[in-house]
Amino acid sequence: NAGVMQNPRHLVRRRGQEARLRCSPMKGHSHVYWYRQLPEEGLKFMVYLQKENIIDESGMPKERFSAEFPKEGPSILRIQQVVRGDSAAYFCASSEQGTHGYTFGSGTRLTVV
Amino acid sequence: AQTVTQSQPEMSVQEAETVTLSCTYDTSESDYYLFWYKQPPSRQMILVIRQEAYKQQNATENRFSVNFQKAAKSFSLKISDSQLGDAAMYFCAYRSAGGSGTYKYIFGTGTRLKVLA
Repeated sequence: NAGVMQNPRHLVRRRGQEARLRCSPMKGHSHVYWYRQLPEEGLKFMVYLQKENIIDESGMPKERFSAEFPKEGPSILRIQQVVRGDSAAYFCASSEQGTHGYTFGSGTRLTVV
Repeated sequence: AQTVTQSQPEMSVQEAETVTLSCTYDTSESDYYLFWYKQPPSRQMILVIRQEAYKQQNATENRFSVNFQKAAKSFSLKISDSQLGDAAMYFCAYRSAGGSGTYKYIFGTGTRLKVLA
């Protein structure tokens, strides 16, 4: 049973480009969470999704950031017009139900140059 | 809003010795979960130990144990017989029991643990 799969592992984008980060949850998990980790900091919650629904997006920046978890396929975190301050590690986690503990992916390190 | 505080940015321990990492939190909720995660240089977040707030008994996982003081809102991690592979960042995290419908974790800023040979 593969864990939470995130790709790419590393992503380099120039300022103004778009970044797409993918997360495939563990088999049987229908709850997905995205977190951002800035250098030398802890993880900060961004968004919580179930299939085709955004449940809690209280941690998402109001502009340029969006997330989806379609009926088929991975969850996508999309960052439009990236800026240097978006450089961070982005982690995805999944759970079978909301009340269950998470399994984290290995993260995507986004570098904006 | 809930907060998690780790006041030790860095700790060192001699191999085979015992070390305790501190964590305090603030919440008005009575039911919640607390976690310790380990993050080695590979960046993978590894669950070390988990504690349910309604359980008075401290959780234990092999060499890892916690001292959970609910009234003091303290949740420290004790690592016994430290090994070189224990060197990593350690994060304390809080999660509501979910009555509000969200299951987000609140993380502390981490403690970097160095293990000296």
